Amino acid sequence: GIQVEQSPPDLILQEGANSTLRCNFSDSVNNLQWFHQNPWGQLINLFYIPSGTKQNGRLSATTVATERYSLLYISSSQTTDSGVYFCAVWETSGSRLTFGEGTQLTVNP
Amino acid sequence: NAGVTQTPKFQVLKTGQSMTLQCAQDMNHEYMSWYRQDPGMGLRLIHYSVGAGITDQGEVPNGYNVSRSTTEDFPLRLLSAAPSQTSVYFCASSYRRGGGYTFGSGTRLTVV
Repeated sequence: GIQVEQSPPDLILQEGANSTLRCNFSDSVNNLQWFHQNPWGQLINLFYIPSGTKQNGRLSATTVATERYSLLYISSSQTTDSGVYFCAVWETSGSRLTFGEGTQLTVNP
Repeated sequence: NAGVTQTPKFQVLKTGQSMTLQCAQDMNHEYMSWYRQDPGMGLRLIHYSVGAGITDQGEVPNGYNVSRSTTEDFPLRLLSAAPSQTSVYFCASSYRRGGGYTFGSGTRLTVV
């Protein structure tokens, strides 16, 4: 099956800093999604982004499907951004959403 | 609009007991799935359904059973609980295969 690798595995920031999270995948995909799991365990869909760039407030994401990677940008980080960020992909020939192992983000005040 | 509702939120079982985790969505989504989340292993797909009456196995289906009699409901049954099934279980739905996912709030299950 498809492999999804996220980096870095852990990231610690001071409030106000910017960061970039990366997701690499091993095969062609129909779509890619970014999720945020908050400290209470809730999974929130941030972006549905099979290709191109999208922005939502301080967050933006870019997927370059031909090069098999996606980037999630967090600007002016806040403590509420803390949690785990997951990338998930749907293989072109597949029938499931496959998750990476996530990036644990901690934003300190 | 409630989205995806999972019950119960917490459950403790003894080894060998059976139980059903409930999942319901009110968005008329065709695609529903169950994941388990374990430390260091991300989210792994247990079973999924592409519509009422149609289910299929995911990555880790052993010890679990599902059915989809209606579009709204997708229960997950643990046939004979084992300590290895201690995990957090998430149900998710999507309007179509490969569409944007909406997750429930999860069920934390402990098997002793």
